[in-house]
Amino acid sequence: NAGVTQTPKFQVLKTGQSMTLQCAQDMNHNSMYWYRQDPGMGLRLIYYSASEGTTDKGEVPNGYNVSRLNKREFSLRLESAAPSQTSVYFCATLRGVGDYGYTFGSGTRLTVV
Amino acid sequence: DQQVKQNSPSLSVQEGRISILNCDYTNSMFDYFLWYKKYPAEGPTFLISISSIKDKNEDGRFTVFLNKSAKHLSLHIVPSQPGDSAVYFCAASPGTYKYIFGTGTRLKVLA
Repeated sequence: NAGVTQTPKFQVLKTGQSMTLQCAQDMNHNSMYWYRQDPGMGLRLIYYSASEGTTDKGEVPNGYNVSRLNKREFSLRLESAAPSQTSVYFCATLRGVGDYGYTFGSGTRLTVV
Repeated sequence: DQQVKQNSPSLSVQEGRISILNCDYTNSMFDYFLWYKKYPAEGPTFLISISSIKDKNEDGRFTVFLNKSAKHLSLHIVPSQPGDSAVYFCAASPGTYKYIFGTGTRLKVLA
């Protein structure tokens, strides 16, 4: 039972390159999320998908796109990477609205040079 | 504007003593609150939650207190152990599908 799996774990991109971060879950949760973590900024929500077939912007969506491919998979795409997108990216799932906790993946550390 | 604030970036506590981590929020619509622990190079791990209909929730060594009038919550860890050394995040939601996180407090428990 893997929970939430993110690939890749590390990536270095040149400015202007594109890439897709993959996230897959086997928890049968409806909601999936992408957060980024930066020093002194905490975790900031990029995009989320409350259920299969829907996606919504979070706090910092600029420069990103997402696809909810099916109930299990939620990908994050950087079309033209910028140094400001250097960060650690976390995918998470949520069982439901309320005082339930997110389940996070182990993260993707992205460096844009 | 930071809706969820953790004003102490770091905290050091002796092993066996109480650790108190604080979190303030500005949005009175928040009614679900979570605490997470994060070790380096790992994803955050859910610790404990509380809804606005309660003022306290306990789980083993961890207790969360909510003061709605002050828009303040705190996490108490008793007794603190060296393995508790990590970054702790609080998060809040207005009952929608998303949570807003604070900036985190790095706890160091000294042996």
